[in-house]
Amino acid sequence: GAGVSQSPSNKVTEKGKDVELRCDPISGHTALYWYRQSLGQGLEFLIYFQGNSAPDKSGLPSDRFSAERTGGSVSTLTIQRTQQEDSAVYLCASSFNSNEQFFGPGTRLTVL
Amino acid sequence: SQKIEQNSEALNIQEGKTATLTCNYTNYSPAYLQWYRQDPGRGPVFLLLIRENEKEKRKERLKVTFDTTLKQSLFHITASQPADSATYLCAASFYGNNRLAFGKGNQVVVIP
Repeated sequence: GAGVSQSPSNKVTEKGKDVELRCDPISGHTALYWYRQSLGQGLEFLIYFQGNSAPDKSGLPSDRFSAERTGGSVSTLTIQRTQQEDSAVYLCASSFNSNEQFFGPGTRLTVL
Repeated sequence: SQKIEQNSEALNIQEGKTATLTCNYTNYSPAYLQWYRQDPGRGPVFLLLIRENEKEKRKERLKVTFDTTLKQSLFHITASQPADSATYLCAASFYGNNRLAFGKGNQVVVIP
């Protein structure tokens, strides 16, 4: 594919349910990032994967949030027991040299 | 902690004029600064990167400066066009840290 893809594009869930968000990075990109963008706010860093190194999880807001990256490619962000404050756009980005980042279109999560 | 600050007020500018946006950072100087463009409902798109030891970078009608004394980067769009209307994000990468710290973004509206 030409760019970073994310699915689903929109997700509406009920408070307390678990959700999984998927990111397909650009082929060959070794770095993968997850960000969260709330209305009127800047991008908030969540987690960073680089090759086979241990991920930088320092941005995850609580232990309800987790992410995996399988085979150095596809990544899944999981939010357990969703809360209304989790509502936001979740953006994934990939990078070859950890400089310029290529972003996906995002997943808009709404927790009712 | 490091903060990246951008003007929260939208910049309305007449077509053909130069739009200038400001990005200020606190504390330590970043290794480099990046500027991204974000359109509604889309992920950010990379525009320019400027390193700490560079004073100015240009790309077509775009120019970025980096002033470590003022702790500031300026982003210029010359001969602005209505198609330049978007939100522009400043992001910083600090030494020893692979993540990007983003500002909240600054909206530009180019009036025909």
